[in-house]
Amino acid sequence: GENVEQHPSTLSVQEGDSAVIKCTYSDSASNYFPWYKQELGKGPQLIIDIRSNVGEKKDQRIAVTLNKTAKHFSLHITETQPEDSAVYFCAASTGGYQKVTFGTGTKLQVIP
Amino acid sequence: NAGVTQTPKFQVLKTGQSMTLQCAQDMNHEYMSWYRQDPGMGLRLIHYSVGAGITDQGEVPNGYNVSRSTTEDFPLRLLSAAPSQTSVYFCASRSVDEQYFGPGTRLTVT
Repeated sequence: GENVEQHPSTLSVQEGDSAVIKCTYSDSASNYFPWYKQELGKGPQLIIDIRSNVGEKKDQRIAVTLNKTAKHFSLHITETQPEDSAVYFCAASTGGYQKVTFGTGTKLQVIP
Repeated sequence: NAGVTQTPKFQVLKTGQSMTLQCAQDMNHEYMSWYRQDPGMGLRLIHYSVGAGITDQGEVPNGYNVSRSTTEDFPLRLLSAAPSQTSVYFCASRSVDEQYFGPGTRLTVT
C-alpha cells in the first residue's frame, strides 16, 4: 500500500518567516494530495489539496507544490503568524479522496 | 449547521467490552470515514462509506464494524475491546470540495 513520509517532525520559525514541510510518497499511482492542520484537542482541518494534474496551487499564504517524477510534495506557509502554530499532516491517495494515507505530522511553532 | 458530531467525547472500557461510537453529519455528504490517531503515527483509516448501504475497509479494520443505514449516521462498533484499541477516534465526512472532521472520541481500554 501507499507509504507517506513527512519531514521535519518539528519546526520552529519566527513570526513573519516562511515554513516549509516536505512529504514523499511511494505509490506512483497516487493522484490526490491533501494537507491538514490540527490544533490541540481538535479534529484535523483540510486546508488545501492538490491533484496530480496540477503542479502547484496557492491559497493566500499557503501553497502546495507537487513533483510527480520525484514523488515529492510540499506545503509552504509564508508570513507565518502565531495562529499558524499547529500540527500539519500531509496525505496521499491513489483513489481520489476515498482512501487517504496520512504522514506522521509536523508540529509547527511560530514564535512571536 | 452542526457539521460533524461525535459522541461520546471520552470513554473508558474494560477489555472484552463492546461499544458503539456515534457519528452524525448534517451536510448531506455521501462519503464518511473513521480514523484512529495514535501518537507518532498520524491518522489511519479504519472503515469508510461512499453512501447509504455501502461500506468498505480501510487500513486497520480488524476489531471494528460499521454500518450506514442513512446518509447522516455512520456508527463505529468495537466488538470486543482490546488495550491496542486505546486511541483517539475521528469521524469525517466530505464532498468533492470540502471535508470536515468531528471533534474526536478519546477511548481508553484497560
